[in-house]
Amino acid sequence: ETGVTQTPRHLVMGMTNKKSLKCEQHLGHNAMYWYKQSAKKPLELMFVYSLEERVENNSVPSRFSPECPNSSHLFLHLHTLQPEDSALYLCASSLGGSGSYNEQFFGPGTRLTVL
Amino acid sequence: GNSVTQMEGPVTLSEEAFLTINCTYTATGYPSLFWYVQYPGEGLQLLLKATKADDKGSNKGFEATYRKETTSFHLEKGSVQVSDSAVYFCALRGSQGNLIFGKGTKLSVKP
Repeated sequence: ETGVTQTPRHLVMGMTNKKSLKCEQHLGHNAMYWYKQSAKKPLELMFVYSLEERVENNSVPSRFSPECPNSSHLFLHLHTLQPEDSALYLCASSLGGSGSYNEQFFGPGTRLTVL
Repeated sequence: GNSVTQMEGPVTLSEEAFLTINCTYTATGYPSLFWYVQYPGEGLQLLLKATKADDKGSNKGFEATYRKETTSFHLEKGSVQVSDSAVYFCALRGSQGNLIFGKGTKLSVKP
């Protein structure tokens, strides 16, 4: 049973909308991640936060804006998205930060559709 | 750079059949290797891992052996069940601790 929750589970938005995805972990971890899962493509790491500081940003367009207010919560703010941004967005968390590997625990994802 | 290549799916098997999902990797050095599983409607779960050459990871009847000679980490199970139907992802740990995934292989097991 996962200790990582994501809301909403499904989201449909227009290209001019602004919305936010939320992730919460109940595992006492101190690193959190956003991944994008598109059809027929490998999971893409978008952002990594360790101890509430962003440590990695894999050339993600500025229309995606992450926020990590504390070690238990991670947001992904969306604005002016494109249809090709439609995907499953997965959140994960781990103990010990991204510099050392500890198992990453994934949430169920938010299925985003951009019209 | 680091990358993972796994066999294209979907793979459809009958219950109790033998399963192999191939995975090869390209990396500097000898990274830790992983198999994750994603059941319908759920997030990814770690299935098994191996941290050095010749290690064998195993869990729930699944096995994978870290082969540095062939840069492979193939997933096997001797007798699949309907409940094993899922998408399986091979991954390696990058130099910064991040995970680099393959595209995933969908497995469907028929009764």
